Amino acid sequence: NAGVTQTPKFRILKIGQSMTLQCTQDMNHNYMYWYRQDPGMGLKLIYYSVGAGITDKGEVPNGYNVSRSTTEDFPLRLELAAPSQTSVYFCASSDGQHGTDTQYFGPGTRLTVL
Amino acid sequence: GDSVTQMEGPVTLSEEAFLTINCTYTATGYPSLFWYVQYPGEGLQLLLKATKADDKGSNKGFEATYRKETTSFHLEKGSVQVSDSAVYFCALSIINDMRFGAGTRLTVKP
Repeated sequence: NAGVTQTPKFRILKIGQSMTLQCTQDMNHNYMYWYRQDPGMGLKLIYYSVGAGITDKGEVPNGYNVSRSTTEDFPLRLELAAPSQTSVYFCASSDGQHGTDTQYFGPGTRLTVL
Repeated sequence: GDSVTQMEGPVTLSEEAFLTINCTYTATGYPSLFWYVQYPGEGLQLLLKATKADDKGSNKGFEATYRKETTSFHLEKGSVQVSDSAVYFCALSIINDMRFGAGTRLTVKP
């Protein structure tokens, strides 16, 4: 049981490039989330999904896109990378409703945009 | 909007010292409250949680009580160990919205 896995662990992008951050969970969780963590700050929710085919915006969605074609996978897409997107990105999943259920986090992807 | 404020770090303690990390929240409804811990190079892990007023969450010797009257959820441990060195995040959640504090880095020295 691997839990939540994320790839890549590290990535450096040039301004204007695009990339997809991969996230997979093997716990059959319905809910999945993408957060970003800036230095000295708490996590901010980018997008979340309550099930396959359903996604919704979080607190900071601008510059990102997501899709959820399967229960297991929840990729995050950056179309035109900007220096403001330099951050550590965490994917998480939970079994039930966002409000009370434990979220399980992946190890994170550290992204630098130069 | 809903938010969480936790004490700034870093916090440095000697082994077996008493730990308190303060956390207060602002919310329009009735949130659930959480403490997550992040060890170096890893993602966040749930440490403990409380879903209603006066609930006490506890795990691995850590405790926190949901205080509605003071809108607080302070984290405590009676005797810290070197292995407790990590970043601790307080968080609140109302349906489909979760907010994290900035995190408090704890270093425990032998």
